[in-house]
Amino acid sequence: GNSVTQMEGPVTLSEEAFLTINCTYTATGYPSLFWYVQYPGEGLQLLLKATKADDKGSNKGFEATYRKETTSFHLEKGSVQVSDSAVYFCALSSNSNSGYALNFGKGTSLLVTP
Amino acid sequence: DSGVTQTPKHLITATGQRVTLRCSPRSGDLSVYWYQQSLDQGLQFLIQYYNGEERAKGNILERFSAQQFPDLHSELNLSSLELGDSALYFCASSDSGTGDNEQYFGPGTRLTVT
Repeated sequence: GNSVTQMEGPVTLSEEAFLTINCTYTATGYPSLFWYVQYPGEGLQLLLKATKADDKGSNKGFEATYRKETTSFHLEKGSVQVSDSAVYFCALSSNSNSGYALNFGKGTSLLVTP
Repeated sequence: DSGVTQTPKHLITATGQRVTLRCSPRSGDLSVYWYQQSLDQGLQFLIQYYNGEERAKGNILERFSAQQFPDLHSELNLSSLELGDSALYFCASSDSGTGDNEQYFGPGTRLTVT
């Protein structure tokens, strides 16, 4: 079945540091891949997506490239800010027994300190 | 603001009781998904409705049921509640429920079973 594995947190970085959060997936067919962000006390917000191999999703300085050969979709940002502190979820959507429901990783908590 | 609304924001109830959670999707979205977020299970897909019809089921207990009404709002009914049902319940909506399937999440309902 479909599954997503992402690095365990928490990740603590100083402001302006480089961020990488690793995400790998297992899926049948050709999934779409997503990163969602959850700020404290809020719902999930779509951060970026990629729908086919070699696509790069980007938003607010974050980027992730859909790598079919390594089944990965790592999230990167060149210079993090305190306001980026949140929990980040990697997810995939692929036609399966659960239709096109999102299948999430366990989330990675990021804390950025001044 | 995602455009998805959920009520109530918080719900505290006792074991054995029944509750109803409500979700209104973004204007124009036909598909509604329900997810449960708990510390031990992470984000789990429960059920999807599309234009009033059940489309897909995930890890939904038999004590739980849902429906989508002609105005496209959806309700999730949880009965014979147990302590382990305490969690955040999110609904999400999308325009089609297939393909690249961007889903927009509501703020969630936090259910506490005592």
